[in-house]
Amino acid sequence: SQTIHQWPATLVQPVGSPLSLECTVEGTSNPNLYWYRQAAGRGLQLLFYSVGIGQISSEVPQNLSASRPQDRQFILSSKKLLLSDSGFYLCAWSARQGTGNQPQHFGDGTRLSIL
Amino acid sequence: GENVEQHPSTLSVQEGDSAVIKCTYSDSASNYFPWYKQELGKGPQLIIDIRSNVGEKKDQRIAVTLNKTAKHFSLHITETQPEDSAVYFCAANLEGTYKYIFGTGTRLKVLA
Repeated sequence: SQTIHQWPATLVQPVGSPLSLECTVEGTSNPNLYWYRQAAGRGLQLLFYSVGIGQISSEVPQNLSASRPQDRQFILSSKKLLLSDSGFYLCAWSARQGTGNQPQHFGDGTRLSIL
Repeated sequence: GENVEQHPSTLSVQEGDSAVIKCTYSDSASNYFPWYKQELGKGPQLIIDIRSNVGEKKDQRIAVTLNKTAKHFSLHITETQPEDSAVYFCAANLEGTYKYIFGTGTRLKVLA
């Protein structure tokens, strides 16, 4: 069966520090991968998605970047964190069949607090 | 672009009663509608989904209905239990893309 792992589960970082969040998927090949941010009590905002190694689409202008160095690895990064980067970050995957009509499966998220 | 509205934002029901959460979408080309349950501190978990070629789908106590003409779909939970308490999100796909648009969520509380 397929599983998705995100780490760390929680992270407290000072303003201006770098960031690296990692997500890996097991049990499937060639998945679509996604990074979302969820503000407290709010819905999910898509930040990045990837349909293949090295292929990244950015949805909103921001202080963050994403990379996909391997087929089942997705990394969210920042060179200098801002207070506004605080939130709950979720990674998700879906099978690459059709377009958009496959379920997305989420990891358990990283809660990022910027001080 | 696609917009998904979800109501109500909070819902309290007595254990054993039914709960209904409604969503409307704006893009008539959307053809896939998943529902997610999110428990505190966890990621959303897919609980049921429906495609535009069917009007209703049921899985034990959970059912989803879709009205393509009116562009709305609903989640129905029967015989609610305390463990159904969570935040529920609806979503609609953006046709021709890999992206979803999510509703803003409904916090369901099942009172024992």
